[in-house]
Amino acid sequence: DAMVIQNPRYQVTQFGKPVTLSCSQTLNHNVMYWYQQKSSQAPKLLFHYYDKDFNNEADTPDNFQSRRPNTSFCFLDIRSPGLGDAAMYLCATSRNRPGQGLGEQFFGPGTRLTVL
Amino acid sequence: GENVEQHPSTLSVQEGDSAVIKCTYSDSASNYFPWYKQELGKRPQLIIDIRSNVGEKKDQRIAVTLNKTAKHFSLHITETQPEDSAVYFCAASMGTNAGKSTFGDGTTLTVKP
Repeated sequence: DAMVIQNPRYQVTQFGKPVTLSCSQTLNHNVMYWYQQKSSQAPKLLFHYYDKDFNNEADTPDNFQSRRPNTSFCFLDIRSPGLGDAAMYLCATSRNRPGQGLGEQFFGPGTRLTVL
Repeated sequence: GENVEQHPSTLSVQEGDSAVIKCTYSDSASNYFPWYKQELGKRPQLIIDIRSNVGEKKDQRIAVTLNKTAKHFSLHITETQPEDSAVYFCAASMGTNAGKSTFGDGTTLTVKP
């Protein structure tokens, strides 16, 4: 089945130790997103890729980086995790259709990051 | 940039009653308005969406209305059931060539049996 896959589902890291979260999709969608979601809050967009074009949100800390080596994969790198970075990280994809615009976002199951 | 406000933040109804959640947006260029349901510990999933060329859309017990002039849209759930209990997020996307949606802060809906 076409889907959005995130690995790992749970990640524990130490304060300051770099960590990479991965996302893959079989939907062939041209837009991929990374969101941070803390308890009882809305998903907060960190950045998104529109095809190969990287779009960073103005308030995304420099500590967060992303890579999209191809259509199917996208990575979130947290260079020096702090305690405040503990959260659920959601990857999502969507297709932007010419003349119609953005469509539904399909979310992965998320990676829960714990920072010790 | 786009700003989306969602009300109420919490909503409690009796089973069988209707629930209405409202959102306003600021960017008149937004043309796509999805609603996502997120159950506890699960991913957000689309339940209904509407584009700016349509004023209302219905899917069984769920309906969405859009007022482009006033820049607001609403989710209506009729005959609520306990399994409708979840957090609901509205969102607005910024035009045909932009890639992102701006989410509202969410509404926690509780349906009491």
